[in-house]
Amino acid sequence: ETGVTQTPRHLVMGMTNKKSLKCEQHLGHNAMYWYKQSAKKPLELMFVYSLEERVENNSVPSRFSPECPNSSHLFLHLHTLQPEDSALYLCASSQVTSGGGYEQYFGPGTRLTVT
Amino acid sequence: AQSVTQLGSHVSVSEGALVLLRCNYSSSVPPYLFWYVQYPNQGLQLLLKYTTGATLVKGINGFEAEFKKSETSFHLTKPSAHMSDAAEYFCAVSGGGGGSNYKLTFGKGTLLTVNP
Repeated sequence: ETGVTQTPRHLVMGMTNKKSLKCEQHLGHNAMYWYKQSAKKPLELMFVYSLEERVENNSVPSRFSPECPNSSHLFLHLHTLQPEDSALYLCASSQVTSGGGYEQYFGPGTRLTVT
Repeated sequence: AQSVTQLGSHVSVSEGALVLLRCNYSSSVPPYLFWYVQYPNQGLQLLLKYTTGATLVKGINGFEAEFKKSETSFHLTKPSAHMSDAAEYFCAVSGGGGGSNYKLTFGKGTLLTVNP
C-alpha cells in the first residue's frame, strides 16, 4: 500500500449503531487529520493529531471520537449519529516541522450515510 | 487569521480553451499556497504548491499558478483544457512558520466542467 488509505470506502449505518473509520498513512508523516466534506459546504477540519497528540478539536460533537494509537494510524469512532452527519470523511497526513507549510496528502475518503 | 476566496463556484470551458481558476488569499504571515484537485468520490490530490522562490509554479497535468503578492492572488491556469480536467479544484493557504503551521485553510472550491 502507498500513500494514505481509508477503510471502509462506503458505510451505511443506523442512528443507533457504533462504527469506526480507519485511516493509515504509509508516508512516514508525523501529523494526521480528519475532515468532513458535505455537499455544498466547505471542507471542515475536525481533528488534528501531531506527534500522536490531539492538537485541534474544532467543536466537533462528542458522537465523533478520534483515536491515534501511533503516527501511522488514525481512527474515527462513530456512535448515535444523526442524518446530517452523512458526508464524505477524508483523512490526510503531512510532515510538520518548525518551518511549516507542508502539503497534506489525502486518502480517498469514506462515504458515510446515516439512515 | 488566514482565509481563501475562490471566485466562481462553477467555471465552464470548451475543450482546448484556456482554463483560469481564481484564488485570492488573506494571510498575516508569508503564505504557503496550494492547489488541489478532487475527482468525483475521491480524495484531494495536490496539483502544485508555492512556498518560496520562483513565483510561477508548475504542477501536474499541465497546470501552473502564479503567486502575486501585490494582488494577494494565486490563480491556476492551463493553456488547453482536456475533458479529463473536469473536477473540483480547491485553493488552500497555510502559514509560513510557527503557530498553527500544520493547518491548511481551504477555499470553497470551483467546479470545472469541460464541454466537447
